[in-house]
Amino acid sequence: DQQVKQNSPSLSVQEGRISILNCDYTNSMFDYFLWYKKYPAEGPTFLISISSIKDKNEDGRFTVFLNKSAKHLSLHIVPSQPGDSAVYFCAASYNTNAGKSTFGDGTTLTVKP
Amino acid sequence: NAGVMQNPRHLVRRRGQEARLRCSPMKGHSHVYWYRQLPEEGLKFMVYLQKENIIDESGMPKERFSAEFPKEGPSILRIQQVVRGDSAAYFCASSTSSGSLYEQYFGPGTRLTVT
Repeated sequence: DQQVKQNSPSLSVQEGRISILNCDYTNSMFDYFLWYKKYPAEGPTFLISISSIKDKNEDGRFTVFLNKSAKHLSLHIVPSQPGDSAVYFCAASYNTNAGKSTFGDGTTLTVKP
Repeated sequence: NAGVMQNPRHLVRRRGQEARLRCSPMKGHSHVYWYRQLPEEGLKFMVYLQKENIIDESGMPKERFSAEFPKEGPSILRIQQVVRGDSAAYFCASSTSSGSLYEQYFGPGTRLTVT
């Protein structure tokens, strides 16, 4: 049973436009959500996070939205840049198990110049 | 401040041999996590350690796999009698005890190939 799902394996957008990456989860105990970015042959890099007490968190070009009732979160990147091309992983954790993150399978974003 | 270091970056083992993967956390970090990534999949949690203690090993296969994080030196993930299905990228991450445990800093990974 996959508790964190990223249903789109890939996404392609034009430079300057908005990229929207989606993530769904099933475990209602999750209370902290993270997005990681991964380039080939490198480890994931933490990008942005959100606590379940919020519905939005913004950091520069990156914004994460959380809809707890729908158990859905999304990452918005605007404007998208070619350097944003990477695999994006959604991850979730909860307070009593903070050391253990559950990852989705990732979405490969390609930003075309 | 060096990031999380893993070595070797690539490791080739024949079936039945042992694989040892090393991870040095970021300076000041006392929490280490190991994840495994199979092709076309996400990262799967394996084990969470603090110095000299295993905190959560719920993701570790019951046999052949072990992990340690000694008082001195790197964390070691050990796989005995490797099989082809162990071929994967193994990532180590670390976090600080004073900051959020949720935000983990990852190393570049060790790609294990079993022939």
